Amino acid sequence: EIVMTQSPDSLSVSPGEGATLSCKSSQYIGSNLAWYQQKPGQAPRLLMYGVSTRAPGVPGRFSGSGSGTEFTLTISSLQSEDFALYYCQQYNDWPRTFGQGIKVEI
Amino acid sequence: QVQLEESGPGLVKPAGTLSLICTVSGGSISSSYWWGWVRQPPGTGLEWVGQISHSGTANDNPSLKSRVMMSVDKSMNQFFLNLASVTAADTAVYYCVTSLYGRFEDWGQGTPVIVSS
Repeated sequence: EIVMTQSPDSLSVSPGEGATLSCKSSQYIGSNLAWYQQKPGQAPRLLMYGVSTRAPGVPGRFSGSGSGTEFTLTISSLQSEDFALYYCQQYNDWPRTFGQGIKVEI
Repeated sequence: QVQLEESGPGLVKPAGTLSLICTVSGGSISSSYWWGWVRQPPGTGLEWVGQISHSGTANDNPSLKSRVMMSVDKSMNQFFLNLASVTAADTAVYYCVTSLYGRFEDWGQGTPVIVSS
């Protein structure tokens, strides 16, 4: 199975600052990578797919980059509603696998 | 965008079978989506359980050691998860999801399931 490793485990950021979240896959996954945001007590929400395509309704301050095995989610100018858990997920191979998550906190 | 709602017992005895229903609204289960399940044990991350197409083609996570059975009822616009021989390790919030080209687009609100005697 493809192992997804996210770093750092948590990130402390002030509102208005930027944040860079990393995700690495143990094997080549091309552009078959998605990012999800999860707030406490809520279901995850699709943010990004195909590495860099924002899901409908996702603000432009979220951007994705990378290819192959190394990927990045960048949040420019964090807003209060962006403090949450973020997961990456590969869909290049079965089983579908997620990273362990990154907590973005104040 | 479809709406998904999970239902089922919140408590299952060890060695029993966990059975969940996901009701789809705002779209047809005969569409091009795959219909899946993702779970989240308490305080931890997300684990893909499996998914099924409207025609019944299914894939599930090998880590679950063939305990997963999924099915679809087109007439009711529902799909189902059965997880056999459960243990405490199967305690989790279970989400039903739509899968399009591998990404999970829509999520139910999640239903907690506890495995305990």
